[in-house]
Amino acid sequence: GNSVTQMEGPVTLSEEAFLTINCTYTATGYPSLFWYVQYPGEGLQLLLKATKADDKGSNKGFEATYRKETTSFHLEKGSVQVSDSAVYFCALSEGQAGTALIFGKGTTLSVSS
Amino acid sequence: EAGVAQSPRYKIIEKRQSVAFWCNPISGHATLYWYQQILGQGPKLLIQFQNNGVVDDSQLPKDRFSAERLKGVDSTLKIQPAKLEDSAVYLCASSLASGGGQPQHFGDGTRLSIL
Repeated sequence: GNSVTQMEGPVTLSEEAFLTINCTYTATGYPSLFWYVQYPGEGLQLLLKATKADDKGSNKGFEATYRKETTSFHLEKGSVQVSDSAVYFCALSEGQAGTALIFGKGTTLSVSS
Repeated sequence: EAGVAQSPRYKIIEKRQSVAFWCNPISGHATLYWYQQILGQGPKLLIQFQNNGVVDDSQLPKDRFSAERLKGVDSTLKIQPAKLEDSAVYLCASSLASGGGQPQHFGDGTRLSIL
């Protein structure tokens, strides 16, 4: 079945460091891919998405490129801030009616000043 | 635009008791989802509604969980009787349609603790 695998956390970085959170997926069709973020005490928020191969999603300085050949959707940011500390979830949706999001386990990011 | 509203935020009950959660989606959103998020894991779909019809409830433990979406707007999720393993955050989400590229908008969730 479809699944999403994320790198284990926690990830601990200093402010202005480069961030990569790896995400790979298994899907039978052509899924849409998402990154959601959960800040402390808040609900899940959509961070970015890509709906077809080679698309790049971007938001708030974060980027991720849909790589069909490596079935990956790695999240990157060139310079993290303390306010980026949160849990990040990679997810996929198969693109057919009736198919909801399938999430990875989440990666906790902690950024210190 | 108002977001997805859920209540209560927290609930503590003893095992074998019953509990209900309520969700009000974003106005105009036809598709509504209930997810269960166990500590340390990603959310897992329990049930998906399109308007007031069930689209996918294949992962809903139907012997104890039930959900309804009357009139295609608000929804309630019920657990009866609760088990220790039901301790989790229950998330409601909504989207304009059920197409794969549609972003889902999440509520803040209800944190359920079973004693």
